[in-house]
Amino acid sequence: GQQLNQSPQSMFIQEGEDVSMNCTSSSIFNTWLWYKQDPGEGPVLLIALYKAGELTSNGRLTAQFGITRKDSFLNISASIPSDVGIYFCAGQQTGANNLFFGTGTRLTVIP
Amino acid sequence: GAVVSQHPSWVICKSGTSVKIECRSLDFQATTMFWYRQFPKQSLMLMATSNEGSKATYEQGVEKDKFLINHASLTLSTLTVTSAHPEDSSFYICSAREGGQGRWQYFGPGTRLTVT
Repeated sequence: GQQLNQSPQSMFIQEGEDVSMNCTSSSIFNTWLWYKQDPGEGPVLLIALYKAGELTSNGRLTAQFGITRKDSFLNISASIPSDVGIYFCAGQQTGANNLFFGTGTRLTVIP
Repeated sequence: GAVVSQHPSWVICKSGTSVKIECRSLDFQATTMFWYRQFPKQSLMLMATSNEGSKATYEQGVEKDKFLINHASLTLSTLTVTSAHPEDSSFYICSAREGGQGRWQYFGPGTRLTVT
């Protein structure tokens, strides 16, 4: 299947700091999604992106659909303790039925 | 809206027995449901895709005789792990989609299976 690599794998930050993470692929995707997963729970959709270059915000979260359509970025501003969790990107190709998930970025926020 | 539930949330079973996991879309009709497996500290791996009333489509490497999927109605899909073994212990997550491609998938809370 498609391989989506996320960077960094994990990060430890102080509360109040901004966070940046990215997701890259060797293949083109037409939809990029960002999910957050808390321990023992299913993923929850944060942001969906549908066009190359698109920049979309959801509260303190901002995500961008890369121009090449092979990458996407997620930024979290002014992090808070409840931002702790694993962030997954997911890509979908036109005509494909399913999502391909990234390797995940584990975020720890130190109060 | 768009709530997906799973039952049970966790289950422990003995090696050799079968376990059934239910996935329900509570407030929408799910044309397509997906089953994922997630091992500790790893990403979600798609196991199979099922459309209501049709046979499931399994991903390469997933044994269809071991992981039986039934999508008998627009609100319910079941995954049965037959003759479970310890290596089947994992976190199983379903998702449901209303409508065709391009619509969002909504994920259930997952079921943790432990086979002893």
